[in-house]
Amino acid sequence: DIVMSQSPDSLAVSLGERATINCKSSQSVFYSSNNMNSLAWYQQKSGQPPKLLIYRASTRESGVPDRFSGSGSGTDFSLTISSLQAEDVAVYYCQQYYNSPPTFGQGTKVEIK
Amino acid sequence: EVQLVESGGGLVHPGGSLRLSCSASGFTFSNHAMHWVRQAPGKGLEYVSSTSSHGGATDYADFVRGRFSISRDNSKNILYLQMSSLRVEDTALYYCVRDSAAVAANLLDHWGQGTKVTVSS
Repeated sequence: DIVMSQSPDSLAVSLGERATINCKSSQSVFYSSNNMNSLAWYQQKSGQPPKLLIYRASTRESGVPDRFSGSGSGTDFSLTISSLQAEDVAVYYCQQYYNSPPTFGQGTKVEIK
Repeated sequence: EVQLVESGGGLVHPGGSLRLSCSASGFTFSNHAMHWVRQAPGKGLEYVSSTSSHGGATDYADFVRGRFSISRDNSKNILYLQMSSLRVEDTALYYCVRDSAAVAANLLDHWGQGTKVTVSS
């Protein structure tokens, strides 16, 4: 199974400041056949199910604010919130869908400083 | 609007059985693979099982293989998870999740609210 590792486990950021979460996979999740990375990011607010934010490492799901962006390729990825809002307090998970079983990072908790 | 509503969770003794259901609406159920993903209290997300759009292909996490069985009824738009030989460590919130594709591409684009399973003596 591909192991996904996130850093940091938690971070506190002031309102309006940038938050960056890193995700590393134990093997590449890049498909050369379609030139795409099979990497997704999910947001889970307290008491709610996860919500898909980003797929293919950098494509925002419909309706996701453009302050959320994803980057990276191969084994190293990042999720950036360019200007943290109060409603962004949540746990964020990366997930690979390169192969089965799909695997998740351990999650990163984002709070307001 | 895509809706996934789980039911069937509850308290069960170790070694017991439970059947979870997920009622789907707002999309063409038979066009999508489906998954069960669980989350133990205070923990992260863990894949449990998946089925292709017509149920012909299924897959399981190693820790449930041989104990859990996934199935679906496309005429009723319902996904099932039959759970047997339950263990304390199976205690979790179980989410029904839609795949973006007909064959499990493992991109999980819509999640239900979850149903809670507690295994305890």
